[in-house]
Amino acid sequence: EAGVAQSPRYKIIEKRQSVAFWCNPISGHATLYWYQQILGQGPKLLIQFQNNGVVDDSQLPKDRFSAERLKGVDSTLKIQPAKLEDSAVYLCASSLLGQSHTFGSGTRLTVV
Amino acid sequence: GNSVTQMEGPVTLSEEAFLTINCTYTATGYPSLFWYVQYPGEGLQLLLKATKADDKGSNKGFEATYRKETTSFHLEKGSVQVSDSAVYFCALDNQGGKLIFGQGTELSVKP
Repeated sequence: EAGVAQSPRYKIIEKRQSVAFWCNPISGHATLYWYQQILGQGPKLLIQFQNNGVVDDSQLPKDRFSAERLKGVDSTLKIQPAKLEDSAVYLCASSLLGQSHTFGSGTRLTVV
Repeated sequence: GNSVTQMEGPVTLSEEAFLTINCTYTATGYPSLFWYVQYPGEGLQLLLKATKADDKGSNKGFEATYRKETTSFHLEKGSVQVSDSAVYFCALDNQGGKLIFGQGTELSVKP
């Protein structure tokens, strides 16, 4: 089966600019997650969707980050405006309910 | 809240050496525990998991046992290969499928 697709692979932007990441989960996976992985740290959950509804966004910095999952399939994560500390790898994962995550390759964001 | 602590890296071993990467956790209840591996430039891959106390997860020669008494889930392999060089993450299921990860341990295996 096809894996979790993410794009772009790399993105460099200046601080205060906006950026968007896209994720296409494995077909049939109802649960979708976005994680932020800062260099040298483990991934940290930003938001969890079940179909097109938000299950947990308690760790999402809502003043600058937003995410949506229209039609319960693809998802986009947006940062506006970006800060230097947002430099990280943004990982998307999907799963069947109660099953293990499958991760995409991630988008590496550098904010300069 | 729940948390995961891993031994710090990097860990450097010679090929065929024995590997142990320590992982301890703090959690209410008995969450499922996982080891993920991240090869350079790639996303995380599930290596193994255990869902209840005394369970042993195993895959590709790696093993880890869910120890409730010591709240540990140490990763072991009897004979490492150069191809095992990667970053290894211990994680727990923080209810509802959300994962909490340790900080990762980089393993470098020299021929």
